[in-house]
Amino acid sequence: GENVEQHPSTLSVQEGDSAVIKCTYSDSASNYFPWYKQELGKRPQLIIDIRSNVGEKKDQRIAVTLNKTAKHFSLHITETQPEDSAVYFCAAYLTSDTNAGKSTFGDGTTLTVKP
Amino acid sequence: EAQVTQNPRYLITVTGKKLTVTCSQNMNHEYMSWYRQDPGLGLRQIYYSMNVEVTDKGDVPEGYKVSRKEKRNFPLILESPSPNQTSLYFCASSLLAPNNSPLHFGNGTRLTVT
Repeated sequence: GENVEQHPSTLSVQEGDSAVIKCTYSDSASNYFPWYKQELGKRPQLIIDIRSNVGEKKDQRIAVTLNKTAKHFSLHITETQPEDSAVYFCAAYLTSDTNAGKSTFGDGTTLTVKP
Repeated sequence: EAQVTQNPRYLITVTGKKLTVTCSQNMNHEYMSWYRQDPGLGLRQIYYSMNVEVTDKGDVPEGYKVSRKEKRNFPLILESPSPNQTSLYFCASSLLAPNNSPLHFGNGTRLTVT
């Protein structure tokens, strides 16, 4: 995977508000973008992923948007709930890369949802 | 149940005493990898394996060894642990490489080296 920059590093929102986390990548050929959620004291788990043949993907309150021109993708969480509080990691990959064992994540965003 | 199993969950050891953290997956995944997680540094890759008998360095391989003699197992070996290896370690696997299939993580091993 290539290096990605993730912002913000911390995000605090009120319950019910929306949260947006953004990641930028440098290789315009990257075409697979997963997001992982890590609750406190637990393992990271995939929550949503998107491939470059689509611009947006939704799963209930979670959505990911991809802007290939600007080389960034974003995680959107609507109607946030306290259980959304976690660290979120992004990654970017080129699916045709035959040397694809390298796996680099963004630095993570700590989301806090205040009741 | 499909899962990645790491052992032990917690380990306290002393400098220089060799240790092994085991990782096993029951999903017939080709790819396995080790990461360490430190505050403010995110998840950093230590070693990975694309298949049996194929291993390669990640971003922070110094002080670690791995082996992949069987598809399901990918142990992490610290020959001479040092305090700077105190960290939370995660093993992960995926069906193919992570650029084509999502990673499944184990529950983590918290290592303290005194």
